[in-house]
Amino acid sequence: EEQLVESGGGLVQPGGSLRLSCAVSGFIVSSKYMSWVRQAPGKGLEWVSIIYSLGDTHYAASVKGRFTISRDDSKSMLYLQMSNLRAEDTAVYYCARGDLTMMQDWGQGTLVTVSS
Amino acid sequence: EIVLTQSPGTLSLSPGERATLSCRASQSVSSSYVAWYQHKPGQAPRLLIYSASHRATGIPDRFSGSGSGTDFTLTISRLEPEDFAVYYCQEHSSSFGQGTKLEIK
Repeated sequence: EEQLVESGGGLVQPGGSLRLSCAVSGFIVSSKYMSWVRQAPGKGLEWVSIIYSLGDTHYAASVKGRFTISRDDSKSMLYLQMSNLRAEDTAVYYCARGDLTMMQDWGQGTLVTVSS
Repeated sequence: EIVLTQSPGTLSLSPGERATLSCRASQSVSSSYVAWYQHKPGQAPRLLIYSASHRATGIPDRFSGSGSGTDFTLTISRLEPEDFAVYYCQEHSSSFGQGTKLEIK
């Protein structure tokens, strides 16, 4: 059974950095398209970033230049390195696996709070 | 960038009724790349429909998807109590619509 478990969330000051992790099991992380999606308090789902099976990466305009998605097959991990964080980055962050037609499986999310 | 607009924002219905949720794209989208998700508070989003009309594994047949071009629809034929949630459309595993909240009337 495929599973995804996020970690690394927490409280960080504006301008700070944080790295989110997504531990996967039941599949090889590079075999699928892996994404990060977030939900700010009281808001809808917002796509953040995707890494293709061949390694191409794409980002939402709101995080481009500040966030970096990466993966490590040997550790079965997906990462999201977040820097220069802003209050509007406060959200629950989900990792998801799938392809360009769907996000098939999701983790339970990790909360990031950006506040002084 | 393609913008997805969902309507209505909130839909108030009773169990047993039929729900029709709309998703309109700002430009034509291949139906292969349109998906629908259900999201309940405190839970992970759940894939319902992919490629506009294909039910994901384990999804009851009361859920159906249709559409092409710029207009897509999610239909729930007879609402069960567990169906009250927020529903999102998505294209190309990127942009989401703003969501439709399905609430109990």
